[in-house]
Amino acid sequence: DVKVTQSSRYLVKRTGEKVFLECVQDMDHENMFWYRQDPGLGLRLIYFSYDVKMKEKGDIPEGYSVSREKKERFSLILESASTNQTSMYLCASSLPSGGRNEQFFGPGTRLTVL
Amino acid sequence: AQSVAQPEDQVNVAEGNPLTVKCTYSVSGNPYLFWYVQYPNRGLQFLLKYITGDNLVKGSYGFEAEFNKSQTSFHLKKPSALVSDSALYFCAVKPPGWSNTGKLIFGQGTTLQVKP
Repeated sequence: DVKVTQSSRYLVKRTGEKVFLECVQDMDHENMFWYRQDPGLGLRLIYFSYDVKMKEKGDIPEGYSVSREKKERFSLILESASTNQTSMYLCASSLPSGGRNEQFFGPGTRLTVL
Repeated sequence: AQSVAQPEDQVNVAEGNPLTVKCTYSVSGNPYLFWYVQYPNRGLQFLLKYITGDNLVKGSYGFEAEFNKSQTSFHLKKPSALVSDSALYFCAVKPPGWSNTGKLIFGQGTTLQVKP
C-alpha cells in the first residue's frame, strides 16, 4: 500500500514564524502535491512537483514555497506565517501516466496561526 | 474557466436507502473524473475513476458512478447507504490538454449524512 506521511497532525504557530510542513511518500511516485482545505472551498492546489528539484505553482502559491531535494520528500514552507494561513494542509502523491492515476493523500496537518 | 461543481453542500439519507452525490463539470473535451472520500480527521481516500470505456464505473465500498457526457455529470451512487458512509465526498477532474503531471480540479465537497 502507498503510504504518505505528514510530519505533524496538529501544529500551532505564531504570526511571523517560519513554518515547515514535511511530507514523505514511500512508493517512488514522481508527482507530489500540496493542497490546503478550507470549508466550502474544497481543495486548492498550492504547489506541485513532478520530479526532484522541479516545481510549479498551483492556484494559491502566495505566501508559500516548496522544496523537493529527494524524490520521496516534499516540503511546504510558510516564509512568514499569517493568521489567514490557518487551515488544513494535505499532501498527496501520484504516478505520472498522463493523469490517469489517482492521488494518494496523507492524513493532513491542521495548522493554526495565532 | 474549467471547473467542477458539487451543487449540494449536504446530502441526508436514511440507512438502507439509495444515495446520490452530484457532480457536474465544465471542461472542453473528455476529462478524467475521480471521486474521493474523507472520513473525519483523515486524509482523502480514492473511491473510483472514469478514464474511458463503460460509462458506469464501480469502486470501493460498493460505490459506483455514471459518466454522462451530454449532461457533463459524474454522479456518485450507492444502492443502499450505511451509517459508516457518512463522510465528506469530493469530485475531481483532470481536463484534457493539461500537463501530464496529474493536476486535478476539485469540487467544493459534499457532506453525506446517513441516519440510522
